[in-house]
Amino acid sequence: GAVVSQHPSRVICKSGTSVKIECRSLDFQATTMFWYRQFPKQSLMLMATSNEGSKATYEQGVEKDKFLINHASLTLSTLTVTSAHPEDSSFYICSARDSGPSGGNIQYFGAGTRLSVL
Amino acid sequence: GDSVTQMEGPVTLSEEAFLTINCTYTATGYPSLFWYVQYPGEGLQLLLKATKADDKGSNKGFEATYRKETTSFHLEKGSVQVSDSAVYFCALSRRSGGSNYKLTFGKGTLLTVNP
Repeated sequence: GAVVSQHPSRVICKSGTSVKIECRSLDFQATTMFWYRQFPKQSLMLMATSNEGSKATYEQGVEKDKFLINHASLTLSTLTVTSAHPEDSSFYICSARDSGPSGGNIQYFGAGTRLSVL
Repeated sequence: GDSVTQMEGPVTLSEEAFLTINCTYTATGYPSLFWYVQYPGEGLQLLLKATKADDKGSNKGFEATYRKETTSFHLEKGSVQVSDSAVYFCALSRRSGGSNYKLTFGKGTLLTVNP
């Protein structure tokens, strides 16, 4: 099946620093990638939709200046948490939609990034 | 708007027991339906899918049938194993805004299988 690589898997940073998370589709092209946040024992909350070559679309209540998304190529999207604070600590998961002719528009997920802000 | 309702857990079973996790949905048109599984500390893995009414998705002994008349997509497995312990998410996807296909998730059901 399709593989999505997310890196890093875990990051610990000091309050006020910025953290970049990468999401790569390894064996398919993804014009659209999605970024989710998951709180403990809860479902996934969609933060934003990332489209290659255009600005991301953010869900209501998500600060676009705090969560910067760049989708510069068909296989890479990045999420940068700027000036991170302890309340940003969470599990962040990306997904990539296989938009190829046989992809079925299925979303494949990365393994997630555990962010801890001290 | 779209929504997915799945049975609340946690569900605790003994090995080799029969599993059913109920899932119903509300959506306009003809969504695609999915079950994803999340093992502890990991991202989501696609377990199975169905794209139209009466389709049956199956994988690793799990099955779910797309029932449009009851707007349901219940997950079943005849004999669970300890390794099936995970959180299971039911989800639907429908074209939304241009070429985006957003996923709408249920809240997840934690399954624990004891030896």
